[in-house]
Amino acid sequence: NAGVTQTPKFQVLKTGQSMTLQCAQDMNHNSMYWYRQDPGMGLRLIYYSASEGTTDKGEVPNGYNVSRLNKREFSLRLESAAPSQTSVYFCASSVVRGLTNEKLFFGSGTQLSVL
Amino acid sequence: KNQVEQSPQSLIILEGKNCTLQCNYTVSPFSNLRWYKQDTGRGPVSLTIMTFSENTKSNGRYTATLDADTKQSSLHITASQLSDSASYICVVSGQAGTALIFGKGTTLSVSS
Repeated sequence: NAGVTQTPKFQVLKTGQSMTLQCAQDMNHNSMYWYRQDPGMGLRLIYYSASEGTTDKGEVPNGYNVSRLNKREFSLRLESAAPSQTSVYFCASSVVRGLTNEKLFFGSGTQLSVL
Repeated sequence: KNQVEQSPQSLIILEGKNCTLQCNYTVSPFSNLRWYKQDTGRGPVSLTIMTFSENTKSNGRYTATLDADTKQSSLHITASQLSDSASYICVVSGQAGTALIFGKGTTLSVSS
């Protein structure tokens, strides 16, 4: 079982460059999420998609855009990368957002460095 | 402000020993509390999820406790193994549909 698959695993960008992080899940989950993890901080929600066709801002959405391409795929785009976006990015999915015992399944992460 | 505080920040124990990690939260209203294990270079993996009515929940050698009155939780690891070396993250959910609040994690190192 693949679960949640993220690509790429590592990426180095120059300030101002753009890129898209890809995420796909094979568990037929309705909800998908993008988080960032910075040293000394808890994971923070960037954007989420409660169901196919919908997306909403999370705690730290500035500088990012997302696309829920279909039920399986949820991409995160950096239009003009900044050094402050250097972080580890995690995609996650769950059956339905908001269930009391909703369990999140995470991908392995993308380590992004912006120079 | 809704916060999740974990202690200690890091911990080193010998293989075979037990340990307890702490989590205090100020999230209100409270829906549930989760513990995740994150191996180096990997995404978090769920260990337990507890609602306010559950006091204890076990997953193998991992036992989580919850005191919703004092807003405290603990994760007890029994007979530690080298593979337990990881970061353990406490996550609290407010009312259904709201964002999860992640603690900074406790880094556990198990040595032989």
